[in-house]
Amino acid sequence: QVTLRESGPALVNPTQTLTLTCTFSGFSLTTTAMCVSWFRQPPGKALEWLARIDWDGDTYYSTSLKTRLSISKDSSKNQVVVTMTNMDPVDTATYYCARGRWFFDYWGQGTLVTVSS
Amino acid sequence: QSALTQPPSVSGSLGQSVTISCTGTSSDVGSYNRVSWYQQPPGTAPKLMIYEVSNRPSGVPDRFSGSKSGNTASLTISGLQAEDEADYYCGSYTTSNTYVFGTGTKVTVL
Repeated sequence: QVTLRESGPALVNPTQTLTLTCTFSGFSLTTTAMCVSWFRQPPGKALEWLARIDWDGDTYYSTSLKTRLSISKDSSKNQVVVTMTNMDPVDTATYYCARGRWFFDYWGQGTLVTVSS
Repeated sequence: QSALTQPPSVSGSLGQSVTISCTGTSSDVGSYNRVSWYQQPPGTAPKLMIYEVSNRPSGVPDRFSGSKSGNTASLTISGLQAEDEADYYCGSYTTSNTYVFGTGTKVTVL
């Protein structure tokens, strides 16, 4: 059974760095072709893809956010971590992680991050 | 990377068919058969409904079907049911090895 769960702070101050962890089970990121991506969805708005990390360590980022994002993995812990620097109130959103590369078959439940002082 | 274009809303009566369009460019929808569709009822995580243009994951009813022509993909829901009421998003892999979603469509069952 594949599961993913996002964890991290619910509230972040403007200009701070956000760190979110995706803890997964039911698959391994050491398996060829396995990938995990991060997404976000501001309240009432559309989904947005943020970043992806592949089984071989290759990373890919949203063109508009690449200067602020970093994604990494700890395969021994079955975790993927994403950091986003210089947070702003417009970054308030539900953040999701999911398994996949060009389609995403299992998703976490999401975690709401509010950026406010 | 600009979002794919979807109609804001579509509606249909129980048992009718509705089609949602998803228009991109030759750098995304038009370049690969890597278009997928997601269903998202309010307050829930997205659920994969269609992958690689027209494939249904196990457990997705066969009233959901997908197609593509050029830079436009489509999702058709045949025999609309009350539980189909949700937001739907298309998504596509891109030539830059990134991923782009559509603007989202709210499906209302009348």
